[in-house]
Amino acid sequence: AQTVTQSQPEMSVQEAETVTLSCTYDTSESNYYLFWYKQPPSRQMILVIRQEAYKQQNATENRFSVNFQKAAKSFSLKISDSQLGDTAMYFCAFMKLGGGADGLTFGKGTHLIIQP
Amino acid sequence: DAGVIQSPRHEVTEMGQEVTLRCKPISGHNSLFWYRQTMMRGLELLIYFNNNVPIDDSGMPEDRFSAKMPNASFSTLKIQPSEPRDSAVYFCASSFNPRPSGYNEQFFGPGTRLTVL
Repeated sequence: AQTVTQSQPEMSVQEAETVTLSCTYDTSESNYYLFWYKQPPSRQMILVIRQEAYKQQNATENRFSVNFQKAAKSFSLKISDSQLGDTAMYFCAFMKLGGGADGLTFGKGTHLIIQP
Repeated sequence: DAGVIQSPRHEVTEMGQEVTLRCKPISGHNSLFWYRQTMMRGLELLIYFNNNVPIDDSGMPEDRFSAKMPNASFSTLKIQPSEPRDSAVYFCASSFNPRPSGYNEQFFGPGTRLTVL
């Protein structure tokens, strides 16, 4: 079984600042994906970014980028030029590939607050 | 696209009552997932279907929980009898997987907030 750990229950930064959310995971799988999901107060789950474990290049999506350290089993999310609309819960998630269930294993989440 | 549809959006019931949550996946998707979100345990996978067949129900907490997918466009999650500790937000998600172990994005429904008094 795999586990996902987010050690920052809550973070608060000023608008336009850069913020990094931490995530570590534990698995014996060699083929997997990692994700960051955003959950605003509406509680809708929104995929922010994904990383394939076999790719060394870190994924980027506009202001969002990841730092994927496979050996360290670390997967952090950097949000640049933070905006008020970035205020939300952020969940790190893991999905194994290569047979078996393709469900997501989530961390407990980080509540990110962007202050005006 | 309508997205994943869940009903009801909110449900309040009394302990001991039967509760049925419903999900309509995105048309054409062949995988469906039920997740539960609580403050204590976070988001947990309950059960997963592929082509209407349950693949992994190891996350279902106990026998009071059951899930069915009678066809590709409908799934239910039933709790009987319900208990206060079942209070949570239940999410349904769907994806299209052209092969059993492939990846495609899971699209989440808006969730059902269940309160058991």
